[in-house]
Amino acid sequence: QITLKESGPTLVKPTQTLTLTCSFSGFSLSKNGVGVGWVRQPPGKALEWLALIYWDDDKFYSPSLKNRLTLTKDTAKSQVVLTVTNMDPVDTATYYCIHPAINWRGERYFDPWGPGILVTVSS
Amino acid sequence: DIQMTQSPSSLSTSIGDRVTITCRASQSVDTFLNWYQQRPGSAPKLLIYAASSLQSGVPSRFSGSGSGTTFTLTISSLQPEDFATYYCQQTFTFPYTFGQGTKLDI
Repeated sequence: QITLKESGPTLVKPTQTLTLTCSFSGFSLSKNGVGVGWVRQPPGKALEWLALIYWDDDKFYSPSLKNRLTLTKDTAKSQVVLTVTNMDPVDTATYYCIHPAINWRGERYFDPWGPGILVTVSS
Repeated sequence: DIQMTQSPSSLSTSIGDRVTITCRASQSVDTFLNWYQQRPGSAPKLLIYAASSLQSGVPSRFSGSGSGTTFTLTISSLQPEDFATYYCQQTFTFPYTFGQGTKLDI
């Protein structure tokens, strides 16, 4: 059974850097084809994909946030860390860690999701 | 970026109703289209992947169809636990994008 859980600060000040950790179990990030990603959701708004990292350290970022996002992985600890620089109140959102599954045709989908962590940006 | 547009944005429904939600992509996404359900205060849950494949454990009253640019999610007979917000998502190309959501109200 695959599970993921987000951890990190729930309150950050404007201009600070946010560091979130996704701790997962039920799969290994050293296995061919495996990845971990992040999605966020501002209160009352839609979902927004942020980033993905794969077993081979290949990384994909949302173009709208690319300059502010960094993903790193620690395979031994089964963790992925997302950093977001220069936080602003508009970055207030629930941040979800996700497992990107894939079928035989190469079609990808996010399953499962972590419970999410609400991060508020305020001075 | 591929824009995903859902309609309607909200829908007032009743138990037992048949509901259809439409998702349109600004360009073809083949069948790289997924549907998620999000109940208030909870993380999204995968319902349908690859346009029409029902995720394990999801009730058979949920179904998906479509390819290219137009997709539908159908709930054949609404149950109390189905009142939630539904999102479509394309994973055909980066950046992966979601629709704006469709909220089902009683």
